[in-house]
Amino acid sequence: EPEVTQTPSHQVTQMGQEVILRCVPISNHLYFYWYRQILGQKVEFLVSFYNNEISEKSEIFDDQFSVERPDGSNFTLKIRSTKLEDSAMYFCASSPTAITGELFFGEGSRLTVL
Amino acid sequence: AQSVTQPDIHITVSEGASLELRCNYSYGATPYLFWYVQSPGQGLQLLLKYFSGDTLVQGIKGFEAEFKRSQSSFNLRKPSVHWSDAAEYFCAVGLNTNAGKSTFGDGTTLTVKP
Repeated sequence: EPEVTQTPSHQVTQMGQEVILRCVPISNHLYFYWYRQILGQKVEFLVSFYNNEISEKSEIFDDQFSVERPDGSNFTLKIRSTKLEDSAMYFCASSPTAITGELFFGEGSRLTVL
Repeated sequence: AQSVTQPDIHITVSEGASLELRCNYSYGATPYLFWYVQSPGQGLQLLLKYFSGDTLVQGIKGFEAEFKRSQSSFNLRKPSVHWSDAAEYFCAVGLNTNAGKSTFGDGTTLTVKP
């Protein structure tokens, strides 16, 4: 069964460093998303991406964050200068359609900022 | 803005017993509603979704949910719980303009007693 894959599964970084989280969405999906879950808190929407551009972003997704689909398969989330409060599990998701919105999630990348 | 409330943080049921997890939502338009399950160390998996039609929807793993507009609820049920159902369950509501931009509830942790 096709699945969304994410790398790395866990990354530890120093505050102020740049981090890139990578995702390979399901191949025939067109809509891509990043969500995050701070330990003990809700799953929160960060950004949605369609047709090579951001379609919507949340207030969390400030100038420190960027997303890119550098080739036909990868979808990346970059955090330019990490802060302690960026420590969270980051989930990539993809969907074949924005109409019904069911999301297929990866297993997540845990980011720890020291 | 939409919101989701899952009143029960933690529920414990005996194996073989029935289960109902509660979800209430707030959204001004027709909601797109989802239930996801997250097993420890894994990503979120879609159990079922509602966006129109029959208000009783069937999902995977023997789960069903009923949409009740008058009560703004979308409760998840299973007639007989298995030990493997122990996990965290999230209710989510999606926008009708970007259904993949979902707002998640806080989650309900299900423990299954032997």
